[in-house]
Amino acid sequence: SAVISQKPSRDICQRGTSLTIQCQVDSQVTMMFWYRQQPGQSLTLIATANQGSEATYESGFVIDKFPISRPNLTFSTLTVSNMSPEDSSIYLCSVEFIGSGNGNEQYFGPGTRLTVT
Amino acid sequence: DAKTTQPNSMESNEEEPVHLPCNHSTISGTDYIHWYRQLPSQGPEYVIHGLTSNVNNRMASLAIAEDRKSSTLILHRATLRDAAVYYCILREGSGYALNFGKGTSLLVTP
Repeated sequence: SAVISQKPSRDICQRGTSLTIQCQVDSQVTMMFWYRQQPGQSLTLIATANQGSEATYESGFVIDKFPISRPNLTFSTLTVSNMSPEDSSIYLCSVEFIGSGNGNEQYFGPGTRLTVT
Repeated sequence: DAKTTQPNSMESNEEEPVHLPCNHSTISGTDYIHWYRQLPSQGPEYVIHGLTSNVNNRMASLAIAEDRKSSTLILHRATLRDAAVYYCILREGSGYALNFGKGTSLLVTP
């Protein structure tokens, strides 16, 4: 299993500013993902954070708006840039160990609740 | 990605079994069936997954239809702490992100 922490747990930001969210895992993991959960909605994948290379973004998400870093196997950051009220969401990171066999489970962080005013 | 269909909401009495259905008629032979749940104000947590055979763990059981076009998550004795949104997700294998649908919101009443 994995213990995941996210910082900050919540923040209120002004439009036009940027916020960097940190995801820290207590052990080395193979995969790290970033999701967004808008109010009352399900989770949507933003991108896969790749260690040592550029993140892989899903349709509708771009690097300029959501730059992601993953400098090692236990840490990743997601920046929400030039924020607008539409960016108000919960942002979650998840991790996965890749071992023998398929269908491995993912572990999720507690989320960062962002409100943009 | 193959899609899943779940009821929007279900209700159960405490200490009774709960059967949460999921339809996935376009499932491919390599798709695993995963279930996650999200308790209020928390990130999702893994519940169970399977490929073809029924699966049991300490949290729940997963019953998979013979043609794999549907599955049922079984909570043997619902508690108030089981009130959550339950997501049925198809995934090809390790390393792929999870494609969350709307899930089933389970209400457990005393």
